Amino acid sequence: GDSVTQMEGPVTLSEEAFLTINCTYTATGYPSLFWYVQYPGEGLQLLLKATKADDKGSNKGFEATYRKETTSFHLEKGSVQVSDSAVYFCALFGASSRLTFGEGTQLTVNP
Amino acid sequence: DTEVTQTPKHLVMGMTNKKSLKCEQHMGHRAMYWYKQKAKKPPELMFVYSYEKLSINESVPSRFSPECPNSSLLNLHLHALQPEDSALYLCASSHPLSTEAFFGQGTRLTVV
Repeated sequence: GDSVTQMEGPVTLSEEAFLTINCTYTATGYPSLFWYVQYPGEGLQLLLKATKADDKGSNKGFEATYRKETTSFHLEKGSVQVSDSAVYFCALFGASSRLTFGEGTQLTVNP
Repeated sequence: DTEVTQTPKHLVMGMTNKKSLKCEQHMGHRAMYWYKQKAKKPPELMFVYSYEKLSINESVPSRFSPECPNSSLLNLHLHALQPEDSALYLCASSHPLSTEAFFGQGTRLTVV
């Protein structure tokens, strides 16, 4: 079945540091890939998405590229801010017709 | 309007109470979902409605009863819950031909 593996957290960075959160997946066919962000006490917000191989999703300075050869969708940001502190979920929508989430990565950015 | 609205935001209920959670969207989406999220865990799918018909029930206990009265509304009726049912309940919706789901802010449920 479908599965998503995220790097374990928590991740703590200083403001303006470079961020990478690794995400790899297992799925049949050609799933759509997503990064969702959850701020404290809130629901999930779609951060970015990619629907086919080599697509790059980007939003608010965050980027991720759909790499079919390595089955990966790593999240990156060049310079994080305190306001980026949140939990980040990698997810895929595949042949099972439902979202499959990774375990989530807690990011804390200190000033 | 790109919002999924959930009410109430917070709910405390006793184990003998009956309560309902409500979810509303006006994006013309015809797929709607209920998820349960425990602290520090990813959301777990509970139910999926497609064109107002229940299409997926992830073996959820019968004390949770979903209802989709029309294409914009989704309810979750709660009865005789247990303390372990305390969680954040998230509603989501999507266009049937899209893989992109929009989530509401959730209802924080506490069972005492």
